[in-house]
Amino acid sequence: DAGVTQSPTHLIKTRGQQVTLRCSPISGHKSVSWYQQVLGQGPQFIFQYYEKEERGRGNFPDRFSARQFPNYSSELNVNALLLGDSALYLCASSLAQDYGYTFGSGTRLTVV
Amino acid sequence: GENVEQHPSTLSVQEGDSAVIKCTYSDSASNYFPWYKQELGKRPQLIIDIRSNVGEKKDQRIAVTLNKTAKHFSLHITETQPEDSAVYFCAARRGGADGLTFGKGTHLIIQP
Repeated sequence: DAGVTQSPTHLIKTRGQQVTLRCSPISGHKSVSWYQQVLGQGPQFIFQYYEKEERGRGNFPDRFSARQFPNYSSELNVNALLLGDSALYLCASSLAQDYGYTFGSGTRLTVV
Repeated sequence: GENVEQHPSTLSVQEGDSAVIKCTYSDSASNYFPWYKQELGKRPQLIIDIRSNVGEKKDQRIAVTLNKTAKHFSLHITETQPEDSAVYFCAARRGGADGLTFGKGTHLIIQP
């Protein structure tokens, strides 16, 4: 079985640009969550989607948005990129809302 | 919101000895407490988790204990091996729609 797949693995963007990150959950998993991990810190919660609806949101600005598709894959969008958005963006897949997560390998975003 | 404190930030133990990592949480409504292991450049991997209706859980060399009254939980690794070297994160969550709140991590070093 494939694990959680994220694309791209690495990305370099310029300040002010927009970026879209993609995630495919484990087959059968209906919940996808997004986390931001800055170097040397624990992951920080951005969004949770379950059955294609936003179910939870962390303390991130409106520049961050996401959606989940009918096949349960998900996209995270970040507009007006700032240098401080440079981080590892992790997607986590779970069967449903109250289950444990399996993380993907992440997308390393560098904003210059 | 929830706040998770994790100690120590670095822990060095001799191979074969035990390691203990401690976390405290602030929100008494939190009911799910996972532990993740993250090797350098890799994704966080769930190693054990516990829910608030259980005081202790064990899986081979790894155990987690939870004290709801004191709002702290601990990870115990016995008979440590070189492959246990990694950063370990504790986390807490209230309900299914809430994201995980992570501690800052413990860098565990196993000395040969």
